[in-house]
Amino acid sequence: EAGVTQFPSHSVIEKGQTVTLRCDPISGHDNLYWYRRVMGKEIKFLLHFVKESKQDESGMPNNRFLAERTGGTYSTLKVQPAELEDSGVYFCASSQDVWQGGSPLHFGNGTRLTVT
Amino acid sequence: AQSVAQPEDQVNVAEGNPLTVKCTYSVSGNPYLFWYVQYPNRGLQFLLKYITGDNLVKGSYGFEAEFNKSQTSFHLKKPSALVSDSALYFCAVRDRRRGTDKLIFGTGTRLQVFP
Repeated sequence: EAGVTQFPSHSVIEKGQTVTLRCDPISGHDNLYWYRRVMGKEIKFLLHFVKESKQDESGMPNNRFLAERTGGTYSTLKVQPAELEDSGVYFCASSQDVWQGGSPLHFGNGTRLTVT
Repeated sequence: AQSVAQPEDQVNVAEGNPLTVKCTYSVSGNPYLFWYVQYPNRGLQFLLKYITGDNLVKGSYGFEAEFNKSQTSFHLKKPSALVSDSALYFCAVRDRRRGTDKLIFGTGTRLQVFP
């Protein structure tokens, strides 16, 4: 079974540019999550999809961030325009169930975003 | 609010010695607790979880964690550390309140095992 894959693994962009991150969850996983870790801090929740619907987007920092999951398969996270404070590692995760409880999240390797 | 705290930024231990990585939590209701590990340039890997039942939970790679309700702690332990255990460890609590379902992570603890 293929794991969660993220692309690109690294991205270096200038302030003001646009970047799009992609996540392919494990096949059959309806739940898809985006998280972010800024250097040395905790891993923070950004948002949660159930299939193609946004279940919870309370962690999205501002309207420069746009996440989509068309068709309920892969997801993209676009940052436009990027700011210096957006630098960090962006993780995607997927899981099979929601309310059954206890189903661990499966994480991708992350995308390291550097905004200069 | 649901939260976890990892009071140590780094833990150093000699190979073969027991290790403990600390985690305390604050939740409303019964906690669902997790430990994840991140090796260099890799994603987070699930180690173990506590949902209900025995307070001592066994997980991958010989790790275990002890749930202590009175101390609101969920410390990660291993009887004999390996150099290959050196990594970043994250404690997390699942927030399943109405309308949301997500993991809330601590700041992470870097474990360094010396030969």
